[in-house]
Amino acid sequence: DVVMTQSPLSLPVTLGQPASISCRSSQSLVYSDGKTYLSWFQQRPGQSPRRLIYKVSNRDSGVPDRFSGSGSGTDFTLKISRVEAEDVGVYYCMQTTHWPLTFGGGTKVEIK
Amino acid sequence: EVQLLESGGGLVQPGGSLRLSCAASGFTFSIYSMSWVRQAPGKGLEWVSTIGGGAGNTYYADSVKGRFTISRDTSKNTLYLQMNSLRAEDTAVYYCAKDQQLAYWGQGTLVTVSS
Repeated sequence: DVVMTQSPLSLPVTLGQPASISCRSSQSLVYSDGKTYLSWFQQRPGQSPRRLIYKVSNRDSGVPDRFSGSGSGTDFTLKISRVEAEDVGVYYCMQTTHWPLTFGGGTKVEIK
Repeated sequence: EVQLLESGGGLVQPGGSLRLSCAASGFTFSIYSMSWVRQAPGKGLEWVSTIGGGAGNTYYADSVKGRFTISRDTSKNTLYLQMNSLRAEDTAVYYCAKDQQLAYWGQGTLVTVSS
């Protein structure tokens, strides 16, 4: 199985400051079609998860442009350019290139 | 607007069975794959199962293989998860999600396995 390793586990951030979350996979996430199926999800307290980013860097509809995804192969990053109060929650990366589908362990973003 | 509404959760004894349903609307249900993902209390997300669109190939996590069955009824726009031989470690909120890329999620339904 592909192991997804996120860091840090917890990320205290000052409002208005940037934040960055790392996600590493135990093997390449490039599929046979040449695309990389790495997504990022946000789960606010008490809510269902919501997809933010798909195929590494594509923002979902309605996602603020302060969220961006980057990376390739086995190394990926989610960046928030300026953290707002509504960004508090847990963020998960997930790979859908290989079966079984696997999630990272999550990164909790909180306000300092 | 895509909507996914899970139902069927509840309290069940170890070894028991439960069937979850997910009513879908706002998209052409028959052509999309659909997935189930669960989250144990205070824990992270765990993929459970996916069923393909069309012919509907099925995929399962090792932790549920042989005990859970995913299916769909395209005439009712509904996704199902039949859960048998339930264990305490199956206790979780179960979410259905649109396609293999989990583009949209429902609100979840809580399954508690306890005597």
